[in-house]
Amino acid sequence: QQKVQQSPESLIVPEGGMASLNCTSSDRNVDYFWWYRQHSGKSPKMLMSIFSNGEKEEGRFTVHLNKASLHTSLHIRDSQPSDSALYLCAASNPGGYKVVFGSGTRLLVSP
Amino acid sequence: GPKVLQIPSHQIIDMGQMVTLNCDPVSNHLYFYWYKQILGQQMEFLVNFYNGKVMEKSKLFKDQFSVERPDGSYFTLKIQPTALEDSAVYFCASSSTGAHEQYFGPGTRLTVL
Repeated sequence: QQKVQQSPESLIVPEGGMASLNCTSSDRNVDYFWWYRQHSGKSPKMLMSIFSNGEKEEGRFTVHLNKASLHTSLHIRDSQPSDSALYLCAASNPGGYKVVFGSGTRLLVSP
Repeated sequence: GPKVLQIPSHQIIDMGQMVTLNCDPVSNHLYFYWYKQILGQQMEFLVNFYNGKVMEKSKLFKDQFSVERPDGSYFTLKIQPTALEDSAVYFCASSSTGAHEQYFGPGTRLTVL
């Protein structure tokens, strides 16, 4: 059964610090990786997606992907208290018909 | 931005009853999904629906579950009969293609007594 493992389970960083979140898929058939952010009581919102090896940056967010190891990481620089949320990594098969989410990393940015 | 609507926001029913959860996806989207989330934790994939068919489903998508989208109206998840373990928040999502961002609805909180 395809699994998406995220680490750490929870993370506390000071305001202005760097948060680094990890995600690995056990299914070699995945093609797409996604990072979503979910604030408490709300629905997930996509932060970034990555399909190719390498790095992608959007503002304070950088995502890396190593397709050989099926590992992706999300880095948030200059973390803000509003970044405190559950971060979900998802991987989907070619065609995007099946999407498997990890159990998430709960990030707390302390003022 | 694009919005996905879900009706109702909350539903309380007795075990064994039928429930239908409704989703109004983004208008030009073609891929539709249902997810189950318990206590703000793991988001569990249930099913993908595309071109009028179930393309993928997980083991959580039990025989008591069914989905449809008759004539471009609501995308629905029906559970018949419901069980206690069906209590959760159910999120609907839609995307234009499988390689594009999924937009999530606000969720329906289902409580089975």
